[in-house]
Amino acid sequence: DTGVSQDPRHKITKRGQNVTFRCDPISEHNRLYWYRQTLGQGPEFLTYFQNEAQLEKSRLLSDRFSAERPKGSFSTLEIQRTEQGDSAMYLCASSLGSVRFFGPGTRLTVL
Amino acid sequence: RKEVEQDPGPFNVPEGATVAFNCTYSNSASQSFFWYRQDCRKEPKLLMSVYSSGNEDGRFTAQLNRASQYISLLIRDSKLSDSATYLCVVTSGSSNTGKLIFGQGTTLQVKP
Repeated sequence: DTGVSQDPRHKITKRGQNVTFRCDPISEHNRLYWYRQTLGQGPEFLTYFQNEAQLEKSRLLSDRFSAERPKGSFSTLEIQRTEQGDSAMYLCASSLGSVRFFGPGTRLTVL
Repeated sequence: RKEVEQDPGPFNVPEGATVAFNCTYSNSASQSFFWYRQDCRKEPKLLMSVYSSGNEDGRFTAQLNRASQYISLLIRDSKLSDSATYLCVVTSGSSNTGKLIFGQGTTLQVKP
């Protein structure tokens, strides 16, 4: 499968723990995006990278959230000191042009 | 006010029906427009881009009215497999490579 991949697919954690998610984009895609989606809502933008540069961050991305794309290929999204409100699907997408291709997402449950 | 507004539905229609979804957006600088489809517990997938002249892909027709900041999607001859959530999506501002703004989604359920 040469699409966008995300790992893990599911994560259950206790409040206060740190979690890290990984996204592997489609290989030639230079842009990578992170979104968060809660039940009954559309995806909300978190941040995006062009190559290794983080070009935009949403106000939703509090100081507990950090994203990296160190070599312009895969990306990680870390959430520190998780809260129950962080429970959501975290979606990664990549693009070369205007069309974004989404990965299957990581479903986070914070107990 | 949300940047992209859609009627969440659900729309319950019989097979073979024609159904239309509408969407409005608030940023007049938006340049690119899309409809994405999302099946339950799956990722969004591009259904079609939307152009000012209107465009058609099989049973699906999309229209854009920039003056009214209004986007529509028409599905003809609905199939059971069309049951999904349809997300109206616009780019934020004039760049087509930056963030996308998603509507809440409209849920379609096609019944036999």
